[in-house]
Amino acid sequence: DTGVSQNPRHKITKRGQNVTFRCDPISEHNRLYWYRQTLGQGPEFLTYFQNEAQLEKSRLLSDRFSAERPKGSFSTLEIQRTEQGDSAMYLCASSLGSRSLSGANVLTFGAGSRLTVL
Amino acid sequence: DAKTTQPNSMESNEEEPVHLPCNHSTISGTDYIHWYRQLPSQGPEYVIHGLTSNVNNRMASLAIAEDRKSSTLILHRATLRDAAVYYCILRDVSQPKYIFGTGTRLKVLA
Repeated sequence: DTGVSQNPRHKITKRGQNVTFRCDPISEHNRLYWYRQTLGQGPEFLTYFQNEAQLEKSRLLSDRFSAERPKGSFSTLEIQRTEQGDSAMYLCASSLGSRSLSGANVLTFGAGSRLTVL
Repeated sequence: DAKTTQPNSMESNEEEPVHLPCNHSTISGTDYIHWYRQLPSQGPEYVIHGLTSNVNNRMASLAIAEDRKSSTLILHRATLRDAAVYYCILRDVSQPKYIFGTGTRLKVLA
């Protein structure tokens, strides 16, 4: 297993264009998360999936953002009509979700997709 | 979500121990204490987690205060590769998501 893979690693786009990021999680992981990170800040939670179901969305995820995880495998994050404020690193993570009392649910992150909106 | 407080930055000399503090005075009984770190140009990576007892793994040790209102991540011998931002996070066992703060930026001096 090569870990969590994200593509593209870098994307430069003009304001108003649509962009899509892809995340391939660790194969046996049933949970998948999207985070956004701007310079000097910690990652901000956007949304997460359990299998193919999107169970929680942050208020940060405006109507221009949509995430999918068809068949509970890879996921895509699409941003429509990009704005300069969308420039950030978009991080994907996966985990083997468990309701055990170990408290683990360790997240494995990808290297991220950096978006620059001109 | 319960909040944590960490110093913005710390420095350490190479091959010396590093103690990274975290305050979490509003921790609840079902909150686990997690530590992740983020190396430059990478996504965060798991370091260690615990509930009440001190924990050790190959990367670090986690010392948890008896009242659980604070904890300390201990790197026994800092190396240049340990230079990163370290995040202390509280996560309720029933909640799947992690809420990151701004963390502590650790600088290791050669």
